[in-house]
Amino acid sequence: DTAVSQTPKYLVTQMGNDKSIKCEQNLGHDTMYWYKQDSKKFLKIMFSYNNKELIINETVPNRFSPKSPDKAHLNLHINSLELGDSAVYFCASSQANNWGAADYGYTFGSGTRLTVV
Amino acid sequence: SQQGEEDPQALSIQEGENATMNCSYKTSINNLQWYRQNSGRGLVHLILIRSNEREKHSGRLRVTLDTSKKSSSLLITASRAADTASYFCGRGSTLGRLYFGRGTQLTVWP
Repeated sequence: DTAVSQTPKYLVTQMGNDKSIKCEQNLGHDTMYWYKQDSKKFLKIMFSYNNKELIINETVPNRFSPKSPDKAHLNLHINSLELGDSAVYFCASSQANNWGAADYGYTFGSGTRLTVV
Repeated sequence: SQQGEEDPQALSIQEGENATMNCSYKTSINNLQWYRQNSGRGLVHLILIRSNEREKHSGRLRVTLDTSKKSSSLLITASRAADTASYFCGRGSTLGRLYFGRGTQLTVWP
């Protein structure tokens, strides 16, 4: 039983294309996140969703848009892909406390390696 | 990074030795969390220490937190080859954000 699953695992696409990465969690967590890990392993938070509402929107290009059809899913849609978007994208989930703080450990998916050619 | 750094970037030791990794941060935190990432995999949560705690243990892991110095350390005792991985510290803000750096690549030789 995979707790946080994301698909696809690998994605190779041409510049200018639009693509989506899907994420699902079966942990009943309230908050889901997207992170980007670059080639130097730097891990940067992109978005988080709490109860279907975007609560964090870090300074990422508006070509990236998170979409959450329900509490268990947070998909990442990317328009007009660029070479610099090549990275590994991780989905994660967490049970935030009453004040929304990250007071519990995150559960991460296994990542989607996106390569833009 | 504006959030802080893990140090060293790479650490190579023999099995049985202890491994110490450090993490610094720049702004106030609610907690600090350590994660492990094996090659090609996602991050796995190891241990969480809250801002009002100074030390925490879990098996062979020992984490300390010094809020006056804005730093934390992760000690892995009696390292094993299976401990080879990247280790990240996540700085948990009061707004629900968890910030990471580039991690420490630990290699344990048999």
